[in-house]
Amino acid sequence: AQSVTQLDSQVPVFEEAPVELRCNYSSSVSVYLFWYVQYPNQGLQLLLKYLSGSTLVKGINGFEAEFNKSQTSFHLRKPSVHISDTAEYFCAVLSAGNMLTFGGGTRLMVKP
Amino acid sequence: GAVVSQHPSRVICKSGTSVKIECRSLDFQATTMFWYRQFPKKSLMLMATSNEGSKATYEQGVEKDKFLINHASLTLSTLTVTSAHPEDSSFYICSGGTNNEQFFGPGTRLTVL
Repeated sequence: AQSVTQLDSQVPVFEEAPVELRCNYSSSVSVYLFWYVQYPNQGLQLLLKYLSGSTLVKGINGFEAEFNKSQTSFHLRKPSVHISDTAEYFCAVLSAGNMLTFGGGTRLMVKP
Repeated sequence: GAVVSQHPSRVICKSGTSVKIECRSLDFQATTMFWYRQFPKKSLMLMATSNEGSKATYEQGVEKDKFLINHASLTLSTLTVTSAHPEDSSFYICSGGTNNEQFFGPGTRLTVL
């Protein structure tokens, strides 16, 4: 069975500072990994995904993530955050049958 | 990317009534769709897998008679919350997709009074 762990439930950060949201997964097969962002009372929006190829994946809104197979991690990073980045972020792994398994989420709180 | 819509976006109902939520794939066909429930400040909890033309597969602990799922066409899945009670109040999200990616609907906020 696959599982996803997001180690930080909340990450407070000041505006224009860099941020890293951590994600670790467990899987016995090849993985497809995703990061989603959710704004209040809205659905999920795909930030980026790793399917294969380059381990450094660039997404929307200036976010990027690096797939590290040896550490079973897929941490999300942004070099300089904005107030508008305040949201809930979910890491997920795709399993058989196109089913997504989500981490518990990380609330990014950007302060002025 | 592909688009998934949900209707309604928000519904308030009295206890004991049934509520139907629709999930549509607008520009692709989805033989499989997924229904999630999300509690405040929590992650998404998979409720069931909706299979076009066959019975849905429910996750452990999800009452199939409470949450009726119908997937009658390749672009529409419906979730009916029967005899809703206040504890059913939640944010319900559906998804559908192709190989390697799922696309999410905007969610439906259900409030049962």
